[in-house]
Amino acid sequence: EAQVTQNPRYLITVTGKKLTVTCSQNMNHEYMSWYRQDPGLGLRQIYYSMNVEVTDKGDVPEGYKVSRKEKRNFPLILESPSPNQTSLYFCASSLKVYPPDRHYGYTFGSGTRLTVV
Amino acid sequence: AQSVTQLDSHVSVSEGTPVLLRCNYSSSYSPSLFWYVQHPNKGLQLLLKYTSAATLVKGINGFEAEFKKSETSFHLTKPSAHMSDAAEYFCVVSVRGSGYSTLTFGKGTMLLVSP
Repeated sequence: EAQVTQNPRYLITVTGKKLTVTCSQNMNHEYMSWYRQDPGLGLRQIYYSMNVEVTDKGDVPEGYKVSRKEKRNFPLILESPSPNQTSLYFCASSLKVYPPDRHYGYTFGSGTRLTVV
Repeated sequence: AQSVTQLDSHVSVSEGTPVLLRCNYSSSYSPSLFWYVQHPNKGLQLLLKYTSAATLVKGINGFEAEFKKSETSFHLTKPSAHMSDAAEYFCVVSVRGSGYSTLTFGKGTMLLVSP
């Protein structure tokens, strides 16, 4: 089954303790992205990756890191989590997004609910 | 700059009545447009998408949307609401970057369906 798999689904951690949320897709998609969802703010893009070893900042990158060493994986790293990073996180992937006028739409993971205390 | 506005944060309907969720977009070119649905404690699921083919787009679960360039709108409709339609709906527009495109999400419309 074509899917995007995120782990863990739920995570409670303490301020400052480094954590990684994993994301893997089995569709051979070039493009992957991380979003956070907060009440009243909708979904905001954290980082995205156009392909292996190509990553760039989205709208809210502060406090996050990513890497794309393999096409299928795109982990999100919080080096020193803080309570304002408590949120629902989604990983998404899509086929290449060229040309710039067209987009194929994302396939989303099931989400990771992170609480930082 | 490209943007998307969902005109209602909440919409309440009775089961069996029509659904209308409104979305306006702003774009300097003809964008791709999408509607996603998110049920409670679930991920986002693609309902339908417009990518410059037919202006009336049919999606899953009886939903459809019409692209109206003159009104810069992409409203989502369904003739008869079902209890299982209760969820949050997101209108999404493609945004042109430097040689690529990404997606910008509206803030969402919560659809409430009463018996």
